Amino acid sequence: GAVVSQHPSWVICKSGTSVKIECRSLDFQATTMFWYRQFPKQSLMLMATSNEGSKATYEQGVEKDKFLINHASLTLSTLTVTSAHPEDSSFYICSARDNWGLGGTDTQYFGPGTRLTVL
Amino acid sequence: AQTVTQSQPEMSVQEAETVTLSCTYDTSESDYYLFWYKQPPSRQMILVIRQEAYKQQNATENRFSVNFQKAAKSFSLKISDSQLGDAAMYFCAYRSSNAGNMLTFGGGTRLMVKP
Repeated sequence: GAVVSQHPSWVICKSGTSVKIECRSLDFQATTMFWYRQFPKQSLMLMATSNEGSKATYEQGVEKDKFLINHASLTLSTLTVTSAHPEDSSFYICSARDNWGLGGTDTQYFGPGTRLTVL
Repeated sequence: AQTVTQSQPEMSVQEAETVTLSCTYDTSESDYYLFWYKQPPSRQMILVIRQEAYKQQNATENRFSVNFQKAAKSFSLKISDSQLGDAAMYFCAYRSSNAGNMLTFGGGTRLMVKP
């Protein structure tokens, strides 16, 4: 139980294009999902908190117009990197909070991550 | 704001031996949660163990246990009978009880297991 998937797992795109990353909770409902960015050999940095049916909350320094987040259902959140540039290349990880699971409402389950390479 | 510090960028342990990873945190709150996550080369984050701050008893999950010292704001992870599969990055994380489940991560410790 408590599986989170991400799609795609790896994407390469040209500079200037937009890329959409999907995060799905497969066997539980998630009112809240989180998007992280991880650079090589570094820790996870929270980008934004995605709330079902409402606007995402972005961390300081994260451009909301650059990283569009949509949490349209209790099992799906999407992150769209708009007009991607090489500096946006990174590993993006989502996590989902299991609202009613045995792990407790304070437990987050992580997706496998998406590697974005912008040429 | 809360901060989480892992002072050991790398640790090494012999297979079957015991290793302890350190974590300290800074908070003014009394109610919170602490976690250890493992990130193997696949980069999938895996929850190893969790601790509620209001519980005095240290959490244990099979070969993994924590030493939670609330007054010292310390939360170390002990791995007993280390296995090759334990080799990974380990992240300590803090979550406030009233911050919308946002996790604050430490910088990570890379654990190497020698056969």
